Amino acid sequence: DAMVIQNPRYQVTQFGKPVTLSCSQTLNHNVMYWYQQKSSQAPKLLFHYYDKDFNNEADTPDNFQSRRPNTSFCFLDIRSPGLGDAAMYLCATSRGRDTQYFGPGTRLTVL
Amino acid sequence: GNSVTQMEGPVTLSEEAFLTINCTYTATGYPSLFWYVQYPGEGLQLLLKATKADDKGSNKGFEATYRKETTSFHLEKGSVQVSDSAVYFCALSDPLSNDYKLSFGAGTTVTVRA
Repeated sequence: DAMVIQNPRYQVTQFGKPVTLSCSQTLNHNVMYWYQQKSSQAPKLLFHYYDKDFNNEADTPDNFQSRRPNTSFCFLDIRSPGLGDAAMYLCATSRGRDTQYFGPGTRLTVL
Repeated sequence: GNSVTQMEGPVTLSEEAFLTINCTYTATGYPSLFWYVQYPGEGLQLLLKATKADDKGSNKGFEATYRKETTSFHLEKGSVQVSDSAVYFCALSDPLSNDYKLSFGAGTTVTVRA
């Protein structure tokens, strides 16, 4: 089945130690998104890629960066994780402005 | 701007009870409307959607009708099961806006007791 895959499902890192989260998709969608979700709050959009064009939300901290080496993969890099960055990170994809489909998420713990 | 107001929870129901979660929206254009469901420890799953006025989305016994006159998209299910326990998010996207952002409601936690 076509889907959005996130790895790992659970990630533990230390305060200040860089971490990378991975997302891949088999839907061949041209838009990929990264959301941060805390404590069953609504997801908050960090940034998205439209094809290779990167679009950062105005309030996304500089500590968060992203890479999209090809259509299928997108990475979220957190350069120096703080305790406040512990959250669920959700990847989503869409074809243009059509419906967004989400992956299962990566739960990040910062010690 | 666009916004979604969703009935606050938590909502606790007995099995086979009727569920309604209210959702109203504010949008400048003609948005598409969605209900997503999030089971514990999981990502968001699309439950149903509607893209124009009077459309009815349905899936797994859940239904919601796009009501432009009342700017609403209320979620209903006639007989809930324990497996319906989850957080439900109402969301909209505006195809005419300059951004790709989904505007989410705050989420409603539903617990169904056996």
